[in-house]
Amino acid sequence: DTGVSQDPRHKITKRGQNVTFRCDPISEHNRLYWYRQTLGQGPEFLTYFQNEAQLEKSRLLSDRFSAERPKGSFSTLEIQRTEQGDSAMYLCASIPEGLLNTEAFFGQGTRLTVV
Amino acid sequence: GNSVTQMEGPVTLSEEAFLTINCTYTATGYPSLFWYVQYPGEGLQLLLKATKADDKGSNKGFEATYRKETTSFHLEKGSVQVSDSAVYFCALSPISSGSARQLTFGSGTQLTVLP
Repeated sequence: DTGVSQDPRHKITKRGQNVTFRCDPISEHNRLYWYRQTLGQGPEFLTYFQNEAQLEKSRLLSDRFSAERPKGSFSTLEIQRTEQGDSAMYLCASIPEGLLNTEAFFGQGTRLTVV
Repeated sequence: GNSVTQMEGPVTLSEEAFLTINCTYTATGYPSLFWYVQYPGEGLQLLLKATKADDKGSNKGFEATYRKETTSFHLEKGSVQVSDSAVYFCALSPISSGSARQLTFGSGTQLTVLP
């Protein structure tokens, strides 16, 4: 399978614990995005990487959130001291370089439940 | 800022009925416009797109026309099937180079097609 893959698919954690999610984009895609989707809503932008550089962060990304893409390939999203409000689906998407390339390819997401 | 407003659901239709899901947007400049579909248990998939005014995107019998004068991108299908049951998201992406060009999504419309 050469699509975007995310791991794990589901995560249940206790409030206050730290969690980390992984995204493996399509290999030749240098642009990588994280989105958060809550029930009944569309995905909301969290952060953007071009290669290994994190170029944009949404105001939704509080200090408890950190994302990395150390070698410009896979990316991780860490949430520290999780809160119940962090419960959501976390989506990763990738796009190849080029102004005319607009289609984002999404992974299946990681569903986080904070109890 | 950019925003997308789409018709609230849920929408329930009988097989072979005509479908319209309304979508309007607010954006500076001329964004690219998209419809994404999310089937149960799956990730977001691009259904169709249009990158400039008066373009018509089409795929799998679905169509949408980029209307700059009404800032709309309504999704239509002449005869829906049970397999079209899914959540449909309208989205936009700015064209400008040098920015993240992240997607801004509507809240989604749940479509159920009954046999």
